[in-house]
Amino acid sequence: QKEVEQNSGPLSVPEGAIASLNCTYSDRGSQSFFWYRQYSGKSPELIMFIYSNGDKEDGRFTAQLNKASQYVSLLIRDSQPSDSATYLCAVTPDSNYQLIWGAGTKLIIKP
Amino acid sequence: DADVTQTPRNRITKTGKRIMLECSQTKGHDRMYWYRQDPGLGLRLIYYSFDVKDINKGEISDGYSVSRQAQAKFSLSLESAIPNQTALYFCATGTGSTDTQYFGPGTRLTVL
Repeated sequence: QKEVEQNSGPLSVPEGAIASLNCTYSDRGSQSFFWYRQYSGKSPELIMFIYSNGDKEDGRFTAQLNKASQYVSLLIRDSQPSDSATYLCAVTPDSNYQLIWGAGTKLIIKP
Repeated sequence: DADVTQTPRNRITKTGKRIMLECSQTKGHDRMYWYRQDPGLGLRLIYYSFDVKDINKGEISDGYSVSRQAQAKFSLSLESAIPNQTALYFCATGTGSTDTQYFGPGTRLTVL
């Protein structure tokens, strides 16, 4: 069974520090990798996606993909209290437009 | 201006009742999805549709049915609701060659 694993947390990070969120996946043939943010009781919203090995930066966010080790991570620089949320990792195993979702990591940014 | 809307936003019903959750989108996307989310669990796919004539079962379709009335509308029905269908339900859309999905605001369903 294709799986996406995340540490449920909570991960507590001081304001202004770097938050590092990790995700591993089981299907070596996975094509696309997504990070979504979800505030409590709200819908997931896309932060960024990555397709190729290496780093992809967008503002304070950096996604890192290592297909050989089958993990994808999200770094949040200069963490703000508004970054406190659950972060969902999602993976497309076969580029068939279906996403396999991790259960999410709860991030708490402490002022 | 919500691109993906869901109605109702909250619903409390009783065991055995038939319930319909509706999703509409103004994004012009071909692909539409229904998910449920339970505390501590990831999003689980119930049904998905790539166009009006293409509807597919997802991971947890038992007890649910769907209707794609138009490109912009995708409804989820619970024929006879049971308490373990209490969850947060999300509709999502997608288009083009990417797998990116865009979510509606969700429907919180409670089955007593």
